[in-house]
Amino acid sequence: EAGVAQSPRYKIIEKRQSVAFWCNPISGHATLYWYQQILGQGPKLLIQFQNNGVVDDSQLPKDRFSAERLKGVDSTLKIQPAKLEDSAVYLCASSPLARAAQGRGGYTFGSGTRLTVV
Amino acid sequence: KQEVTQIPAALSVPEGENLVLNCSFTDSAIYNLQWFRQDPGKGLTSLLLIQSSQREQTSGRLNASLDKSSGRSTLYIAASQPGDSATYLCAAYNAGNMLTFGGGTRLMVKP
Repeated sequence: EAGVAQSPRYKIIEKRQSVAFWCNPISGHATLYWYQQILGQGPKLLIQFQNNGVVDDSQLPKDRFSAERLKGVDSTLKIQPAKLEDSAVYLCASSPLARAAQGRGGYTFGSGTRLTVV
Repeated sequence: KQEVTQIPAALSVPEGENLVLNCSFTDSAIYNLQWFRQDPGKGLTSLLLIQSSQREQTSGRLNASLDKSSGRSTLYIAASQPGDSATYLCAAYNAGNMLTFGGGTRLMVKP
């Protein structure tokens, strides 16, 4: 099966500019996640979608970050305006499960988009 | 709130050594636990997924164990090779299938 596709792979922008990232999950995966990974740290969850609805966005800085998954398939993550501290790798992942208790499978991650804000 | 810690943060070993990477978590009410590998500039590759009812999983030279009562997981790598050099991340699942990651262990295996 094809993996999780993300684009672009790299992006360099100036602070206060806007940027958007795109993710296409594995076909049939109902759940989609965006994670932010700052250099030298583990990834941190930003938002979880179940089909086209938001399950959890408690760690998304909503004053500048937004995400959507309108048709329940691909998703976009936007930052407007960007700050220097937003420099990170943005990872998209998908899972066939809404709840881990169903006990099968796990996440598949994309290769990520590396954002540098200068 | 779940917190995941990985020790050591970095490790350098000669080729051929057996090694253990440690992961601890504060909330024992986890569901599954997963170990990932991350190469520089790349995404995460799943290594082993341990479901909450299991105590360990094995794949080739890798063995991961899970002890929920003590809040610990270990990843054992046998006969390490230079190709094993990467960052290893452990992550705990909550009931909503969301992951909390540790900070990772950067492994360097020297020829």
